[in-house]
Formats: sequence, structure tokens, C-alpha cells
Amino acid sequence: GQNIDQPTEMTATEGAIVQINCTYQTSGFNGLFWYQQHAGEAPTFLSYNVLDGLEEKGRFSSFLSRSKGYSYLLLKELQMKDSASYLCAVRGAASGTYKYIFGTGTRLKVLA
Amino acid sequence: EAEVAQSPRYKITEKSQAVAFWCDPISGHATLYWYRQILGQGPELLVQFQDESVVDDSQLPKDRFSAERLKGVDSTLKIQPAELGDSAMYLCASSPGRIDEQFFGPGTRLTVL
Repeated sequence: GQNIDQPTEMTATEGAIVQINCTYQTSGFNGLFWYQQHAGEAPTFLSYNVLDGLEEKGRFSSFLSRSKGYSYLLLKELQMKDSASYLCAVRGAASGTYKYIFGTGTRLKVLA
Repeated sequence: EAEVAQSPRYKITEKSQAVAFWCDPISGHATLYWYRQILGQGPELLVQFQDESVVDDSQLPKDRFSAERLKGVDSTLKIQPAELGDSAMYLCASSPGRIDEQFFGPGTRLTVL
């Protein structure tokens, strides 16, 4: 089956670095996505990994290890506006189509 | 900037009533998704369209939920009859193709009393 695990909550200080981990199990792995979701709003796309390694995008970086079923999202120079939920989503191939499974999200609180 | 449109933004209904949600994806996006998100959880895929065809509705409770995308553009999700457990945010997303990132609409927050 498919399963995604990520921590429920994390707290960090403004200006610091935080790493949000995600482990997954899926068949036919075809990519891992990170989305940011502010309370009451829709998710917005942050990053995409399909090959092993690090993808950097400004203050945000995402890492993938397919052999370990593991990814992390790294947020640098934290700002108050980064307080949000961070969703890990995995795309897997099944029955001739692609299925997306989302984790429950990690709620990040950034403190002044 | 192109956006996914959804309406209504909020809906309050009584159980056993019928409700319908509408989604207009970004122009040119062939793939459309309907998700349900219960508070504190991640989005759960209900149905996925490729143009006007359903490619995945394995998680759609078909005894009460239905979805259509007749002309391969906008889409409607219907619940009849609504139950208390249907209270959630209903998100629509679209992507240019089946393997691209998804763009989400603002969602419809449904409360069933």
C-alpha cells in the first residue's frame, strides 16, 4: 500500500533553519512534492523531486533518497510568514494512471 | 496570473440535503482533481479527470458523491444526501498534464448540520 509519515508539529525561531522530514512507502514511485498550506487556505506548490539529491529554490530546499523512501524540506532564514502546514505528497503509478497521496502535514510555528 | 476558481467558498447545509460545488481550472489544463481535506489532515483524492474522462475515482463514495466534467473544462462535484461526516474543505486542483505540479483553488468549506 501507500503510506506517508511526517511529524505533526514543529517549532522554530525566526531566522533559524528547520528541517521537516517525510518518509513514504509507495509502489511505482514517480515523484515527491512539497506544498505549503496556510490555515484556511489552499496548498501552494513548493518543490518537486524525482531523482535522488537536493533541489534548491531560494530559502527552500528539498532532498530525496528513493532507496530510503525519505525526503526532507529545509527552510532557511525563517520568517514569521513561514508559519504554516507543510504537506509531503507522493505520486505513484497504479493501474495505468498516477495517484497522489498526501501526508497529514507538519504544522510549523515560527516564534519571534 | 491564472488561477483555479471554485464556488461557493462556504456552504452550510443540513444533513440529507443535496449540495454541489463548481470548479473552473486554469485554461488549458487537461487534468482536474477533486480533493477532500478534513481539518488537521492532508488532502484525500476523490476523483481525477483527464479531459472529460474519469481516470481515478476509487476513493469517491459513489453511493452519495458524483462528479462530472462534461466538456473537459469546468467540473461539478455533488453530494446527495449530505451527511455530518462530509463536513470538510473540498479542494479542486488542475495541472497541464498528468505528471505536472498541481495548482489548487481556494476550496469550498462545507459544514453539514
